[in-house]
Amino acid sequence: ELKVEQNPLFLSMQEGKNYTIYCNYSTTSDRLYWYRQDPGKSLESLFVLLSNGAVKQEGRLMASLDTKARLSTLHITAAVHDLSATYFCAVVTGAGSYQLTFGKGTKLSVIP
Amino acid sequence: DAGVTQSPTHLIKTRGQQVTLRCSPKSGHDTVSWYQQALGQGPQFIFQYYEEEERQRGNFPDRFSGHQFPNYSSELNVNALLLGDSALYLCASSYPLGNYGYTFGSGTRLTVV
Repeated sequence: ELKVEQNPLFLSMQEGKNYTIYCNYSTTSDRLYWYRQDPGKSLESLFVLLSNGAVKQEGRLMASLDTKARLSTLHITAAVHDLSATYFCAVVTGAGSYQLTFGKGTKLSVIP
Repeated sequence: DAGVTQSPTHLIKTRGQQVTLRCSPKSGHDTVSWYQQALGQGPQFIFQYYEEEERQRGNFPDRFSGHQFPNYSSELNVNALLLGDSALYLCASSYPLGNYGYTFGSGTRLTVV
């Protein structure tokens, strides 16, 4: 059974600081997604990572994928309050699978 | 360009009742997936519909069933509601292979009392 683990689950950081959220998964995957969710809202797609070594950046967020280590990271640079949200990684595994398996999410609070 | 539309936004039902949730996919998408998100948890996959058939199913009981219509819209039906079915139900649409990502709707908040 595929397991997706995120850490930390809760993160409180000051504005201007850098931090990294980690996403580990237990079996081989060929696709990894990062989503953002604001309280009471739906999931907003941030990144889709399709291959080993893939790196994508959007604003203050950068995501990377290491398929050999079964690890993805979401790096936050110079955090601002607007980045406060819950961040989920999700993995699709196995040929012919269409199921996204999500981690429990990392609740990020950026303090002014 | 309309995204994924779900209805209703909120719903309160009594234990034992049945409920139907609806989803219209993003324009150009023909695949619809349903997820259940309990409070404080990540979404869990219920099933996916493509070409009006259930293509893959997660670990949910038969009380959860669905349908996809020729216009690609979809319904999620839950019978014999339990208190534990209270959750946010999310619909996601995509192209068949999902390589371009999944677009999620705003969800239906179901409360079972």
